[in-house]
Amino acid sequence: GENVEQHPSTLSVQEGDSAVIKCTYSDSASNYFPWYKQELGKRPQLIIDIRSNVGEKKDQRIAVTLNKTAKHFSLHITETQPEDSAVYFCAAKRRNNDMRFGAGTRLTVKP
Amino acid sequence: DAGVIQSPRHEVTEMGQEVTLRCKPISGHDYLFWYRQTMMRGLELLIYFNNNVPIDDSGMPEDRFSAKMPNASFSTLKIQPSEPRDSAVYFCASSFTLGEKLFFGSGTQLSVL
Repeated sequence: GENVEQHPSTLSVQEGDSAVIKCTYSDSASNYFPWYKQELGKRPQLIIDIRSNVGEKKDQRIAVTLNKTAKHFSLHITETQPEDSAVYFCAAKRRNNDMRFGAGTRLTVKP
Repeated sequence: DAGVIQSPRHEVTEMGQEVTLRCKPISGHDYLFWYRQTMMRGLELLIYFNNNVPIDDSGMPEDRFSAKMPNASFSTLKIQPSEPRDSAVYFCASSFTLGEKLFFGSGTQLSVL
């Protein structure tokens, strides 16, 4: 099945700095890569996703990049704010298959 | 739509007792997923349904766990008998397309003493 590795496990940045979280996947047939944000005690919520036919996608301060050759994708958060503090999960999905999550990255944005 | 609804929000029980977790997916979503979240293992997929039919239950830890979806608007995850190592947050999620744009419920925090 799909194996998703996520790094780093924890990340601390100063408010206003950028944060980057990276994930690698094992199955070259994977075609959909979402990112979920989970605030403390809350449910995971989708923040951005990308398909394998696209190399980059942006939504305000959040962007995701995909390198299919290297089988890795990254989440970029610019101008970080304290409310960005949360656990972020990447995931990968193969066609006609369910989705598997990375282990998560705990992001702390210091004011 | 109120989103995915799970109950109870918290469950504290003693080892050996039966536990039943409930989920109401978003209307129109054909896929329903049960996930377990722990610090050690992260988000683990236990089982998922398509149109009320269980498709993949390979993530169910052992025979003590069972899940049903009697109709499009209701699913249960049952643990019998429960053990302390079952303590975790159990999330139900639903989606229109397999594994894409999942909407999660608020989760059930289960503590087995």
